[in-house]
Amino acid sequence: DVVMTQSPLSLPVTLGQPASISCRSSQSLVHSSGNTYLHWFQQRPGQSPRRLIYRVSNRDSGVPDRFSGSGSGTDFTLKISRVEAEDVGVYYCMQGTQWPPITFGQGTRLEIK
Amino acid sequence: EVQLVESGGGLVQPGRSLRLSCTASGFTFGDYAMNWVRQAPGKGLEWVGFIRSKTYGGTTEYAASVQGRFTISRDDSKSIAYLQMNSLKTEDTAVYYCSRDPHYFDFWGQGTLVTVSS
Repeated sequence: DVVMTQSPLSLPVTLGQPASISCRSSQSLVHSSGNTYLHWFQQRPGQSPRRLIYRVSNRDSGVPDRFSGSGSGTDFTLKISRVEAEDVGVYYCMQGTQWPPITFGQGTRLEIK
Repeated sequence: EVQLVESGGGLVQPGRSLRLSCTASGFTFGDYAMNWVRQAPGKGLEWVGFIRSKTYGGTTEYAASVQGRFTISRDDSKSIAYLQMNSLKTEDTAVYYCSRDPHYFDFWGQGTLVTVSS
């Protein structure tokens, strides 16, 4: 199984400041097709997960450009350039390259300091 | 607009069965594989399984924790994916979400709560 390890697990951030979440996989996430199925999700309190970033660095429709994704192979990062109050929630990385099983990171809880 | 709506959750005793439904709209349901994901209270996301489209045989994959107890099926004529849960355990208590496409998880439903308790 591919293990997804996120850090930090808790992320207190001052409004307007940047934030960064790391996600490392135990195996390469490059699929035989050449795609890397590493995605980032946001789950606001009381809501369903919402995809923010797909295939490492592609922002979903309606996602503010302060969110960006980067990385390759086994090492990936989600960055928020300037945190806003609406960004509070839990962020998950997920790999859809090698399954079963499809695996998620443990989640990173972002809070406002 | 793509919509996924889960239903069928509730309180069930250990050892009993429950069937969840995921009703889809806004896209050609039969063209997509469909996932089930669950989230225990206060915990993270756990993939449960998925069913491929009929084009790819309509076959299924499951997490080890539910293999042999849970069965995913689909009715493309109704745009519904099902999760049949048998021999339920207290540790199956969770919000169950359906989501589209195991490579992408691009759309999610609002979830339905299953509580397994005596």
